[in-house]
Amino acid sequence: NAGVTQTPKFRILKIGQSMTLQCTQDMNHNYMYWYRQDPGMGLKLIYYSVGAGITDKGEVPNGYNVSRSTTEDFPLRLELAAPSQTSVYFCASRGTYEQYFGPGTRLTVT
Amino acid sequence: GQNIDQPTEMTATEGAIVQINCTYQTSGFNGLFWYQQHAGEAPTFLSYNVLDGLEEKGRFSSFLSRSKGYSYLLLKELQMKDSASYLCAVRVPGNTGKLIFGQGTTLQVKP
Repeated sequence: NAGVTQTPKFRILKIGQSMTLQCTQDMNHNYMYWYRQDPGMGLKLIYYSVGAGITDKGEVPNGYNVSRSTTEDFPLRLELAAPSQTSVYFCASRGTYEQYFGPGTRLTVT
Repeated sequence: GQNIDQPTEMTATEGAIVQINCTYQTSGFNGLFWYQQHAGEAPTFLSYNVLDGLEEKGRFSSFLSRSKGYSYLLLKELQMKDSASYLCAVRVPGNTGKLIFGQGTTLQVKP
């Protein structure tokens, strides 16, 4: 039981490039979330999903897109990377009440 | 609006007790969570309060007062490994499970 896994762990992007952050969970959870965490700050919700085929915006969705074709996978897409997207990105899935977090992706845009 | 306040930093001594406060003003409430986050790692779940009162789990306890919009996390018999950030989060009403996080409190435990 791996829980929530994320790839890659680290990535450096140039301004204007695109990339997809991968997130997979093996706990059969319906609810999944993407957060970003800037230095010294709490977590801000980017997008969330309540089940396969259903996604919705969180607090800070601009510049990102998501899809949820299966229960297990919830990828986050950055289309045109900007320096403001430099952050640590966490994916989470929800159990009975608490959320389980993946190890994070540290992204730098230069 | 949504506002969750925690102290930015705290320092305590190994073996002591520390209380980390959290106050919230949110448009609705459906439970309060505490997470621990070591530097460079993911947050891990510590506690959950939905009703007023104290929940105890080993060395950690969490208290909630919904009428005051207030919670605290109490850590007893502090150990060096307790040096971490502690995040307070409020779950919004509805069936989305969405959480609003405070900025976190960085606790440094000194020998």
